[in-house]
Amino acid sequence: GAGVSQTPSNKVTEKGKYVELRCDPISGHTALYWYRQSLGQGPEFLIYFQGTGAADDSGLPNDRFFAVRPEGSVSTLKIQRTERGDSAVYLCASSLRGGESPLHFGNGTRLTVT
Amino acid sequence: GESVGLHLPTLSVQEGDNSIINCAYSNSASDYFIWYKQESGKGPQFIIDIRSNMDKRQGQRVTVLLNKTVKHLSLQIAATQPGDSAVYFCAENRGSQGNLIFGKGTKLSVKP
Repeated sequence: GAGVSQTPSNKVTEKGKYVELRCDPISGHTALYWYRQSLGQGPEFLIYFQGTGAADDSGLPNDRFFAVRPEGSVSTLKIQRTERGDSAVYLCASSLRGGESPLHFGNGTRLTVT
Repeated sequence: GESVGLHLPTLSVQEGDNSIINCAYSNSASDYFIWYKQESGKGPQFIIDIRSNMDKRQGQRVTVLLNKTVKHLSLQIAATQPGDSAVYFCAENRGSQGNLIFGKGTKLSVKP
């Protein structure tokens, strides 16, 4: 079956611009996660959704970052006033129900802020 | 602070040999652990998981060992193949919500 799909695969934007990154989770997965990965590092947790609500957004670095999942399926990560330090690969993952069920990752969106 | 870390950042093995990748964790409350494989340009791929009530779990060519006494996790890959070359991450779940905390990763290089 289809895995987690993320679009776009690459995004180049100028400093100060607004970007949206999209995630289509595996069908039927109630839990959805966003992670950020810098070169040579492990993924860093940003936010977790259970259904439509953000169950844990403690990883969002500041208020320029926001994510939504209005219908409990597709999610969008939004970054305002992008900075060069936001450049990274943004990974989305979904799991059947959260808790002790494996996270299945997409291939990520590589964001470059110039 | 609490963290998930790895003993070896790089590991080079000969094709056909067995590989062992180690991971240390510091939070005794962690109750679920996962190993991921990540190839260049791709997202992490689930390999195997283990819960804290187990000390060993086997999959196809892979075995995960958990030693809660010393807070140590290892991934054993039997008969390592060139396709196993990747970065391997261990991750721990510190709560019921499934928020995984990842270590920095070990790069496995398989020589033909």
